[in-house]
Formats: sequence, C-alpha cells, structure tokens
Amino acid sequence: GDSVTQMQGQVTLSEDDFLFINCTYSTTWYPTLFWYVQYPGEGPQLLLKVTTANNKGISRGFEATYDKRTTSFHLQKASVQESDSAVYYCVLGDRGSALGRLHFGAGTQLIVIP
Amino acid sequence: EAAVTQSPRNKVAVTGGKVTLSCNQTNNHNNMYWYRQDTGHGLRLIHYSYGAGSTEKGDIPDGYKASRPSQENFSLILELATPSQTSVYFCASGDAGSEQYFGPGTRLTVL
Repeated sequence: GDSVTQMQGQVTLSEDDFLFINCTYSTTWYPTLFWYVQYPGEGPQLLLKVTTANNKGISRGFEATYDKRTTSFHLQKASVQESDSAVYYCVLGDRGSALGRLHFGAGTQLIVIP
Repeated sequence: EAAVTQSPRNKVAVTGGKVTLSCNQTNNHNNMYWYRQDTGHGLRLIHYSYGAGSTEKGDIPDGYKASRPSQENFSLILELATPSQTSVYFCASGDAGSEQYFGPGTRLTVL
C-alpha cells in the first residue's frame, strides 16, 4: 500500500544552519506530495505541494523536489530561524480516489537554537 | 479564510464512558476526516466522510463511530472509552486532490 518514511525523529540546529529532512515514499500511482508543518498547539498546515507536473515546490524559503528515480521528497532550507521550530510531516496524497486521503510520515521535530 | 473548529479542546473521560468530539467547517468542503496523532505514528485516519449522511472507515476505526449530520459538522464518538484512546484528535476538511485544512485539535485523556 501507499506509505511514507521519515527516519529522522528529531533534528537540532543552530540559527542559519542548513536544514535537510529525508523522506521516501511508496505508491503505485503518480504521486502528489506535500510537506505539512505543525506548530505547538495547532493543527498541521500546508507548507508546500508538489505534483508530477511541476516536480518542485518552494514556500517560505523551504524547498522540496520530487525524485521519481529514488522515490524521495526531501525538504531543504538554506538558513533556518528559531521561528522554524516545529514538526514537519512528509505526506503522500492519494490521487487514485475521490477521498483525497493523505498518508502521513511519522514526523520530524525541528529544534532551532538561537 | 478557511476555518475548521473543534470542541472541546481538552477532555478528561473515565474508562467506559461515552465521549463525543465535534468538528465544524466553514469551507464548504465535501470531504471531512478524523485523525489521531500519537508520537512515532504521525496522523492516522480513523473515519472520513464524503458529504452529509455518509461515513466511512479509515485505517484505525475500531472503537470509534462517526456522524455527519450536515455539510458543516462531523462528530467522532467513543461509545466505551478506553485508556488506549488517550491521544490528540484532529479534524480536517478538504476536496479530493487538494490540501486538507486542519482544526486545532482535541486532547483527550481517558483515565
């Protein structure tokens, strides 16, 4: 079945460090891929979305590229700030049904030290 | 502005008691979803709905029921709450192929 793997449970960085969060996915469909971000006390919210048509998403300084060959969808940011501290979820969208269901990875807690 | 609200925000229940979590959306989305969030598991789908009057089982429906009386409202019902259902519950709305909009969550503790 469709699934998403995020192996990094927590990442701790200093301000201005480079961020890289791994994500791999498995699906038999052409995927729609998302990164959602969740701040403390809030629900997840969309950070960026990528489809097979555009391959790359950019939002608020974050960037993710879909690589069909390696089935990866890593999240990057050149220079993190303390305000980026949050939980980041790699998410696979199900294009194959009217439900539009999402498959969430386990999440990566990002802690940015000022 | 898309809006999904949940009530209550916090709930303490006793084992064997009945719990109802409510969700309201003003997005006019057809689809609504209930998830639970647990450390190490991300968000897992409990029940979902395509529209008023419909409910479907998600990946972990055991011990939960759902009700969709209108386009705007979607409830999650725990008829006999158990400590294993202690979690944070999120409601979301969305249309197929697009993003989902999440509520702020309900923290449920079953003693």
